[in-house]
Amino acid sequence: NAGVTQTPKFRVLKTGQSMTLLCAQDMNHEYMYWYRQDPGMGLRLIHYSVGEGTTAKGEVPDGYNVSRLKKQNFLLGLESAAPSQTSVYFCASSLPDAYGYTFGSGTRLTVV
Amino acid sequence: AQSVTQPDIHITVSEGASLELRCNYSYGATPYLFWYVQSPGQGLQLLLKYFSGDTLVQGIKGFEAEFKRSQSSFNLRKPSVHWSDAAEYFCAVGAGAAGNKLTFGGGTRVLVKP
Repeated sequence: NAGVTQTPKFRVLKTGQSMTLLCAQDMNHEYMYWYRQDPGMGLRLIHYSVGEGTTAKGEVPDGYNVSRLKKQNFLLGLESAAPSQTSVYFCASSLPDAYGYTFGSGTRLTVV
Repeated sequence: AQSVTQPDIHITVSEGASLELRCNYSYGATPYLFWYVQSPGQGLQLLLKYFSGDTLVQGIKGFEAEFKRSQSSFNLRKPSVHWSDAAEYFCAVGAGAAGNKLTFGGGTRVLVKP
């Protein structure tokens, strides 16, 4: 009964490097989300997906790309990391009519 | 666009005392409202939610919240806090539009004194 699993849990990148964050859910949820959490700013939506093969931009999409090739996985990519992308990243999933999100435990990313 | 304001960044409360966390939202129609709790190093856990009906909603861990449309507020309360309630609390609003997107407030960190 894993719920939402995020990998990796921690990562340090150098400016300009690329990486992919993986989110996997085993609850057959249709909707998935990527948020970033910064002190005093709460969580801000980066991208989201309402189904396999579909993605959409959230509030702060610049510098990120996403893919949802399989229903259970939602990948967040940073093509050229910048220090401003230092943050804690959370993935979440939900059913279309349930609204309550299930969150992963987060990925702490530091860009130096 | 919807927005959420949590006016208190930090609150310190003694164990056994009551707790109230404030949340004000901005949204044109009837919002869907949520409170989440985040323990250190953890993800967010849903405490309670309001969609419609009774404006006083009960949640897990002894928490409750009251929706007041006239004040655009959804304040969270607990009659008697326990040391384990020390965490960060987030209020969120959903528009009900496609995608179930939530907008979160900045959070309130609660410290519990013994």
